[in-house]
Amino acid sequence: AQSVTQLGSHVSVSEGALVLLRCNYSSSVPPYLFWYVQYPNQGLQLLLKYTTGATLVKGINGFEAEFKKSETSFHLTKPSAHMSDAAEYFCAVSSAGGTSYGKLTFGQGTILTVHP
Amino acid sequence: GAVVSQHPSRVICKSGTSVKIECRSLDFQATTMFWYRQFPKKSLMLMATSNEGSKATYEQGVEKDKFLINHASLTLSTLTVTSAHPEDSSFYICSARTPGTYEQYFGPGTRLTVT
Repeated sequence: AQSVTQLGSHVSVSEGALVLLRCNYSSSVPPYLFWYVQYPNQGLQLLLKYTTGATLVKGINGFEAEFKKSETSFHLTKPSAHMSDAAEYFCAVSSAGGTSYGKLTFGQGTILTVHP
Repeated sequence: GAVVSQHPSRVICKSGTSVKIECRSLDFQATTMFWYRQFPKKSLMLMATSNEGSKATYEQGVEKDKFLINHASLTLSTLTVTSAHPEDSSFYICSARTPGTYEQYFGPGTRLTVT
């Protein structure tokens, strides 16, 4: 079984400030981890993913995330927030094996608000 | 590349009628597609996994006779909500997985409102 917990359903930052969205996962097999962004009434867009290799992954729009196995975390960061970053962000876990093979399990989502 | 479309984007139907939602992979062949349901201010809930040429695999608690899924070709999967009721109103999102990868590409979603 696999699960994802996103700490904080709402995060508010000022434009230019650091963005930190937290994600912890649980998986019985080595995880594949993803961050998606969703704008209102739209589908999900992949920001970045971790499968194997380098634990610090860079994605689109200046976002990056670090896989920390010891902490079972995959937090999303961006050094400087932009107004256009305001959206809802979902962390998701999948796996290469087990009963959840290929399936994505999503966290509850975090709504990011960016103030001028 | 890896574009997924959904049709319609928005549909309103009367209680008791059936509604079909299409999910298409436009520039790749998708042997596996997924259907999700998203409630307001909630996360995505996987409803079923659709494999081309075989029966869909439904998640626990999802009524397969109510949510009919057909994956007749490598680029098209359909979700039919039968005998729709107001509680079926939701945002339905499909995704398609590129062969040989674990990455899913999502459609833009379909807003279903049952009156």
